[in-house]
Parts: sequence; C-alpha cells; structure tokens
Amino acid sequence: EAGVAQSPRYKIIEKRQSVAFWCNPISGHATLYWYQQILGQGPKLLIQFQNNGVVDDSQLPKDRFSAERLKGVDSTLKIQPAKLEDSAVYLCASSPVKRGSGREYEQYFGPGTRLTVT
Amino acid sequence: RKEVEQDPGPFNVPEGATVAFNCTYSNSASQSFFWYRQDCRKEPKLLMSVYSSGNEDGRFTAQLNRASQYISLLIRDSKLSDSATYLCVVNRGATNKLIFGTGTLLAVQP
Repeated sequence: EAGVAQSPRYKIIEKRQSVAFWCNPISGHATLYWYQQILGQGPKLLIQFQNNGVVDDSQLPKDRFSAERLKGVDSTLKIQPAKLEDSAVYLCASSPVKRGSGREYEQYFGPGTRLTVT
Repeated sequence: RKEVEQDPGPFNVPEGATVAFNCTYSNSASQSFFWYRQDCRKEPKLLMSVYSSGNEDGRFTAQLNRASQYISLLIRDSKLSDSATYLCVVNRGATNKLIFGTGTLLAVQP
C-alpha cells in the first residue's frame, strides 16, 4: 500500500513570497491533516479535513495560510506571504474512518516538506 | 501550561539499559493516548496505543493513569536502533484531533 505522498520535499523562499505544498493521502482515507513542526517541537495541527469539508482549522493563521481539498482526495496548503517564523516542516497525515476497528485514531504521516524562509 | 508535557531529554543510555519516559496531560476530557516515534528528519510513526490496563509490545510497555493524568513508556533492553524522539500524543475527542508533546530524545550508546 502506497503511503502519504508530499511534494516538494524541500523549499527555500524569501520572506513575503508565497509557497504551496501538495499532499496525496493513502487511498481511501477520508480524513486528512496538515501539521506544522518547528524544530525542537512536536507537530501542531493546522487544519483537518473530513472528505472535502473542514473539521478543524482553529490553529490555522488564516491571514496568510489557506488549504483546500476540493475533490476529497489531494490537498494543497498555501502560505502567502511567508514570514521567517514559518520556517518548519509541514507534515500531511491521513487516517481511515473505520469506527470500531480500534485503529481509527491511527494517523499515517507523509515525509513532510521542509520550508526555509530567509 | 502546555496541554501535553514531556521531559525533552536527551536521555543517553548504554545498550541493554532500561529507560522510562513520562508524560502528563492537562485536559481531563482526553480520550485516547499514544506514543509515536520520530527518527531524525523523518515523519512520526505510531509506536503503540496506551490503554488504562497497561499494554506491552515486546520490549515496550505503556501505562496510563487517568487519575493523575500521566502516561509512561518503558523500554527494556535498549537497542541502538531505539535511538529516536518519542512523542507523547493525546487524542482530545470525537474529531480525532491529536495533541503532541515536544518529544523526548533517546540516544542509545554502544
């Protein structure tokens, strides 16, 4: 089974520029998450989708960050304009919704996109 | 106060040692608990779920104390390959929102 795919793997941009990240979850996984992981910290949830609807975006800085999952499969996360403090690894994860399986909380992470803002 | 707190370490232990990591959480409504492992410059991967009765998977034992809001992970007979960051993770509720601790770095020395 293919894992969660993300691209690009690395990105270097200057502050005030824009950037976009792409994620393809595991086939059949209805729930998709975007996390931000700053060096030395644990991942922090930015946004959660259930199919193509937003479940939680309470920690997404909406003045500069946006995300979409139009067809309920792939997703893109955009930052515009970027700030120095946005330097981090952006992780995409997905999980199945199989109630009662005992594994519905297991999230599978992609390799991440390492963003450096200079 | 952070919702999930861990000792960041690093824990430097010799091969074969037993090492324990502790974690506390502040939200009493938390429902599910996990340990994730993250290798350097890699993505987090689920190590094990944590159940109230305690659970074991080979050399790894996880325990949960809901009254004290405390989670632990014990690794016996440490291997070099156990070197990684161990993330304590709490599921807050029905939306499957995971709250991660900052992680504890383990370095197993030959």
